[in-house]
Amino acid sequence: GAVVSQHPSRVICKSGTSVKIECRSLDFQATTMFWYRQFPKQSLMLMATSNEGSKATYEQGVEKDKFLINHASLTLSTLTVTSAHPEDSSFYICSAPRPGGIQTGELFFGEGSRLTVL
Amino acid sequence: AQKITQTQPGMFVQEKEAVTLDCTYDTSDQSYGLFWYKQPSSGEMIFLIYQGSYDEQNATEGRYSLNFQKARKSANLVISASQLGDSAMYFCAMREGLAAGNKLTFGGGTRVLVKP
Repeated sequence: GAVVSQHPSRVICKSGTSVKIECRSLDFQATTMFWYRQFPKQSLMLMATSNEGSKATYEQGVEKDKFLINHASLTLSTLTVTSAHPEDSSFYICSAPRPGGIQTGELFFGEGSRLTVL
Repeated sequence: AQKITQTQPGMFVQEKEAVTLDCTYDTSDQSYGLFWYKQPSSGEMIFLIYQGSYDEQNATEGRYSLNFQKARKSANLVISASQLGDSAMYFCAMREGLAAGNKLTFGGGTRVLVKP
Protein backbone atom coordinates (compact mmCIF):
# COMPACT_ATOMS: atom_id res chain seq x y z
CA GLY A 1 0.00 0.00 0.00
CA ALA A 2 0.93 3.63 -0.36
CA VAL A 3 3.38 4.94 2.19
CA VAL A 4 2.99 8.55 1.09
CA SER A 5 -0.52 9.73 0.49
CA GLN A 6 -1.37 12.82 -1.49
CA HIS A 7 -4.71 14.56 -1.62
CA PRO A 8 -6.55 15.57 -3.71
CA SER A 9 -5.56 13.51 -6.71
CA ARG A 10 -7.36 15.88 -9.06
CA VAL A 11 -8.55 19.41 -8.60
CA ILE A 12 -10.11 21.90 -10.94
CA CYS A 13 -10.36 25.48 -9.84
CA LYS A 14 -11.12 28.91 -11.20
CA SER A 15 -8.40 31.38 -11.93
CA GLY A 16 -7.58 33.51 -8.92
CA THR A 17 -8.48 30.96 -6.29
CA SER A 18 -6.06 29.14 -4.01
CA VAL A 19 -5.63 25.40 -3.87
CA LYS A 20 -4.13 23.33 -1.08
CA ILE A 21 -2.51 19.95 -1.69
CA GLU A 22 -1.68 17.68 1.22
CA CYS A 23 1.11 15.16 1.46
CA ARG A 24 1.12 12.69 4.33
CA SER A 25 3.65 10.07 5.29
CA LEU A 26 1.93 6.93 6.51
CA ASP A 27 3.47 4.91 9.33
CA PHE A 28 6.70 6.86 9.33
CA GLN A 29 7.93 10.32 10.18
CA ALA A 30 9.35 12.60 7.54
CA THR A 31 11.34 15.60 8.66
CA THR A 32 11.93 16.38 5.01
CA MET A 33 9.57 16.21 2.08
CA PHE A 34 10.10 17.26 -1.49
CA TRP A 35 7.63 18.87 -3.84
CA TYR A 36 8.00 18.30 -7.56
CA ARG A 37 6.14 19.69 -10.52
CA GLN A 38 5.72 17.84 -13.79
CA PHE A 39 4.41 19.31 -17.02
CA PRO A 40 2.92 16.92 -19.59
CA LYS A 41 5.50 14.68 -21.20
CA GLN A 42 8.28 16.32 -19.21
CA SER A 43 10.47 15.45 -16.30
CA LEU A 44 9.97 16.14 -12.62
CA MET A 45 11.30 19.51 -11.56
CA LEU A 46 12.01 20.05 -7.89
CA MET A 47 10.13 23.03 -6.57
CA ALA A 48 11.08 23.06 -2.93
CA THR A 49 12.25 21.07 0.05
CA SER A 50 9.84 21.09 2.94
CA ASN A 51 11.44 20.99 6.37
CA GLU A 52 9.50 20.20 9.52
CA GLY A 53 9.82 23.02 11.99
CA SER A 54 11.50 25.46 9.66
CA LYS A 55 11.00 27.30 6.42
CA ALA A 56 10.95 25.50 3.13
CA THR A 57 13.91 25.75 0.81
CA TYR A 58 12.84 26.82 -2.66
CA GLU A 59 14.62 26.07 -5.88
CA GLN A 60 15.78 28.92 -8.05
CA GLY A 61 12.98 30.43 -10.06
CA VAL A 62 10.17 29.14 -7.86
CA GLU A 63 8.04 31.89 -6.34
CA LYS A 64 7.77 31.25 -2.63
CA ASP A 65 4.81 33.60 -2.29
CA LYS A 66 3.04 31.75 -5.05
CA PHE A 67 3.71 28.25 -3.79
CA LEU A 68 3.35 28.24 -0.03
CA ILE A 69 4.73 25.21 1.74
CA ASN A 70 4.01 24.34 5.32
CA HIS A 71 5.44 21.30 7.05
CA ALA A 72 2.99 21.27 9.91
CA SER A 73 4.02 18.01 11.52
CA LEU A 74 6.33 15.07 11.05
CA THR A 75 3.76 13.41 8.82
CA LEU A 76 2.19 16.29 6.94
CA SER A 77 3.38 18.82 4.39
CA THR A 78 1.07 21.07 2.41
CA LEU A 79 1.53 22.97 -0.81
CA THR A 80 -0.80 25.88 -1.42
CA VAL A 81 -0.94 27.37 -4.88
CA THR A 82 -2.09 30.91 -4.25
CA SER A 83 -4.07 32.95 -6.77
CA ALA A 84 -3.82 30.14 -9.28
CA HIS A 85 -3.66 30.88 -12.98
CA PRO A 86 -3.92 28.58 -16.00
CA GLU A 87 -0.12 28.40 -16.29
CA ASP A 88 -0.06 26.79 -12.84
CA SER A 89 -1.92 23.81 -14.25
CA SER A 90 0.38 20.86 -13.78
CA PHE A 91 0.98 17.57 -12.01
CA TYR A 92 2.35 18.10 -8.51
CA ILE A 93 4.07 15.22 -6.73
CA CYS A 94 5.38 15.05 -3.21
CA SER A 95 7.95 12.64 -1.87
CA ALA A 96 9.63 11.68 1.38
CA PRO A 97 12.87 9.83 2.02
CA ARG A 98 12.58 6.21 3.03
CA PRO A 99 13.28 5.92 6.76
CA GLY A 100 16.71 4.63 7.61
CA GLY A 101 17.49 4.76 3.98
CA ILE A 102 21.07 5.90 3.89
CA GLN A 103 21.79 2.72 1.98
CA THR A 104 19.52 3.74 -0.83
CA GLY A 105 18.08 7.11 0.05
CA GLU A 106 15.07 5.96 -1.88
CA LEU A 107 12.17 8.34 -2.04
CA PHE A 108 8.59 7.34 -1.51
CA PHE A 109 6.33 9.27 -3.83
CA GLY A 110 2.76 10.30 -3.40
CA GLU A 111 0.19 9.51 -6.06
CA GLY A 112 0.39 13.03 -7.43
CA SER A 113 -2.16 15.81 -7.75
CA ARG A 114 -3.30 17.04 -11.12
CA LEU A 115 -4.24 20.69 -10.95
CA THR A 116 -6.28 22.30 -13.70
CA VAL A 117 -6.89 26.03 -13.48
CA LEU A 118 -9.66 27.33 -15.69
CA ALA B 1 24.08 22.47 -17.14
CA GLN B 2 22.15 19.23 -17.23
CA LYS B 3 23.14 16.96 -14.41
CA ILE B 4 21.22 13.95 -15.66
CA THR B 5 20.89 13.27 -19.37
CA GLN B 6 18.66 10.71 -20.99
CA THR B 7 19.23 10.90 -24.72
CA GLN B 8 16.42 8.59 -25.83
CA PRO B 9 13.05 10.34 -25.71
CA GLY B 10 11.20 7.22 -26.80
CA MET B 11 11.81 3.57 -27.63
CA PHE B 12 9.91 0.62 -29.00
CA VAL B 13 10.83 -2.83 -27.79
CA GLN B 14 9.44 -6.21 -28.72
CA GLU B 15 7.85 -8.20 -25.94
CA LYS B 16 10.27 -10.67 -24.32
CA GLU B 17 13.30 -8.81 -25.60
CA ALA B 18 15.76 -6.81 -23.52
CA VAL B 19 16.04 -3.04 -23.70
CA THR B 20 18.72 -0.66 -22.50
CA LEU B 21 17.87 2.85 -21.41
CA ASP B 22 20.74 5.30 -21.41
CA CYS B 23 21.60 7.69 -18.60
CA THR B 24 24.65 9.86 -18.12
CA TYR B 25 25.27 12.13 -15.18
CA ASP B 26 27.49 14.96 -14.15
CA THR B 27 28.73 15.58 -10.64
CA SER B 28 31.88 16.59 -8.85
CA ASP B 29 30.85 14.74 -5.69
CA GLN B 30 32.58 11.48 -4.86
CA SER B 31 29.54 10.28 -2.97
CA TYR B 32 26.27 10.05 -4.84
CA GLY B 33 23.42 7.73 -5.61
CA LEU B 34 21.77 6.86 -8.89
CA PHE B 35 18.16 5.78 -9.22
CA TRP B 36 15.74 4.60 -11.82
CA TYR B 37 12.03 5.18 -11.49
CA LYS B 38 9.13 4.03 -13.64
CA GLN B 39 6.12 6.23 -14.21
CA PRO B 40 3.10 4.55 -15.81
CA SER B 41 0.30 6.59 -17.30
CA SER B 42 -1.36 6.74 -13.88
CA GLY B 43 1.39 9.12 -12.79
CA GLU B 44 2.74 7.26 -9.78
CA MET B 45 6.50 7.00 -9.43
CA ILE B 46 7.72 3.45 -8.91
CA PHE B 47 11.24 2.87 -7.60
CA LEU B 48 13.12 0.30 -9.64
CA ILE B 49 16.77 0.19 -8.71
CA TYR B 50 19.56 2.02 -6.91
CA GLN B 51 23.33 2.22 -7.38
CA GLY B 52 25.64 3.92 -4.91
CA SER B 53 28.81 5.54 -6.16
CA TYR B 54 30.92 3.26 -3.99
CA ASP B 55 29.14 0.08 -4.98
CA GLU B 56 31.52 -2.10 -6.93
CA GLN B 57 28.90 -4.50 -8.17
CA ASN B 58 26.22 -3.51 -10.64
CA ALA B 59 22.84 -3.38 -8.96
CA THR B 60 20.21 -5.91 -9.94
CA GLU B 61 16.54 -6.18 -8.98
CA GLY B 62 14.66 -8.96 -10.69
CA ARG B 63 14.45 -8.13 -14.39
CA TYR B 64 16.16 -4.79 -13.85
CA SER B 65 19.89 -4.31 -13.81
CA LEU B 66 21.98 -1.19 -13.79
CA ASN B 67 25.08 -1.01 -15.93
CA PHE B 68 27.22 1.35 -13.86
CA GLN B 69 30.30 2.72 -15.58
CA LYS B 70 31.73 5.21 -13.14
CA ALA B 71 34.57 6.51 -15.28
CA ARG B 72 32.16 7.25 -18.09
CA LYS B 73 29.54 8.59 -15.65
CA SER B 74 26.86 6.42 -17.06
CA ALA B 75 24.16 4.39 -15.33
CA ASN B 76 22.16 2.59 -17.98
CA LEU B 77 19.10 0.56 -17.06
CA VAL B 78 18.64 -2.84 -18.64
CA ILE B 79 15.19 -4.40 -18.61
CA SER B 80 15.31 -8.06 -19.54
CA ALA B 81 12.43 -10.07 -20.98
CA SER B 82 10.21 -7.04 -21.57
CA GLN B 83 6.55 -7.33 -20.69
CA LEU B 84 3.59 -5.31 -21.93
CA GLY B 85 3.29 -3.83 -18.45
CA ASP B 86 6.75 -2.32 -18.82
CA SER B 87 5.32 0.33 -21.15
CA ALA B 88 5.85 3.57 -19.25
CA MET B 89 8.11 6.57 -18.78
CA TYR B 90 11.44 5.80 -17.17
CA PHE B 91 13.42 8.38 -15.28
CA CYS B 92 17.03 8.29 -14.20
CA ALA B 93 17.80 10.36 -11.13
CA MET B 94 20.80 11.31 -9.03
CA ARG B 95 21.22 12.24 -5.42
CA GLU B 96 24.43 14.10 -4.67
CA GLY B 97 25.86 13.07 -1.33
CA LEU B 98 24.76 10.05 0.67
CA ALA B 99 22.32 11.67 3.05
CA ALA B 100 18.85 10.29 2.54
CA GLY B 101 17.42 13.77 2.92
CA ASN B 102 19.22 15.08 -0.11
CA LYS B 103 17.10 15.90 -3.11
CA LEU B 104 16.90 13.91 -6.31
CA THR B 105 17.53 15.48 -9.70
CA PHE B 106 15.74 13.79 -12.57
CA GLY B 107 16.62 13.30 -16.20
CA GLY B 108 14.23 14.09 -19.00
CA GLY B 109 12.88 10.57 -19.18
CA THR B 110 12.54 7.87 -21.81
CA ARG B 111 9.16 6.59 -22.94
CA VAL B 112 9.17 2.85 -23.55
CA LEU B 113 6.46 1.12 -25.53
CA VAL B 114 6.49 -2.66 -25.52
CA LYS B 115 4.99 -4.21 -28.61
CA PRO B 116 3.27 -7.61 -28.47
